[in-house]
Amino acid sequence: RKEVEQDPGPFNVPEGATVAFNCTYSNSASQSFFWYRQDCRKEPKLLMSVYSSGNEDGRFTAQLNRASQYISLLIRDSKLSDSATYLCVVNKRGRDDKIIFGKGTRLHILP
Amino acid sequence: EPEVTQTPSHQVTQMGQEVILRCVPISNHLYFYWYRQILGQKVEFLVSFYNNEISEKSEIFDDQFSVERPDGSNFTLKIRSTKLEDSAMYFCASLKVLPGGLSKETQYFGPGTRLLVL
Repeated sequence: RKEVEQDPGPFNVPEGATVAFNCTYSNSASQSFFWYRQDCRKEPKLLMSVYSSGNEDGRFTAQLNRASQYISLLIRDSKLSDSATYLCVVNKRGRDDKIIFGKGTRLHILP
Repeated sequence: EPEVTQTPSHQVTQMGQEVILRCVPISNHLYFYWYRQILGQKVEFLVSFYNNEISEKSEIFDDQFSVERPDGSNFTLKIRSTKLEDSAMYFCASLKVLPGGLSKETQYFGPGTRLLVL
């Protein structure tokens, strides 16, 4: 099983639709979880940290299920500017020495 | 807002040459990282650095690679003898929190240096 695995994508969805990204991780000792977005040829930028209780930031909702080792990101009312690659990122050991990136899921929002 | 900066933005070099990639992390951050991303592939961890020494490194970070923090502000990645497969985007990142605790903060990434080895 890959350390961090994401939907392969790409996702092509019309503007205004709701999009869901899924991510699973293999190391049960992982402690910190994040969603980043990466625009083409740019650096990854933090979108949201993911907490056990789930968290919401405007149109974005992140969920964590530790028992299933599963993380999700929901984007509501998607906009053209949401087009990017979404990266699931997991801190492997609880210390912040190293984080593991998923391969990312590319999202295209269609006008 | 403070940010991580990297220079150069692009570097073209001949196979076998040495390259030094430079980064200026955010000033009050304590942990520093290098990652690489080969075109079309995922971001891969190379090395982390804390308290003037390597904290952890990946299998990719072999003897051809080294890191330094020569002057308290710059953080450099050196590749001694570049290979074609070293062509990638190299990202520097920094993190504020102290080790050992759970972190709700995240690493801040620089804009990257695109390295092309010919």
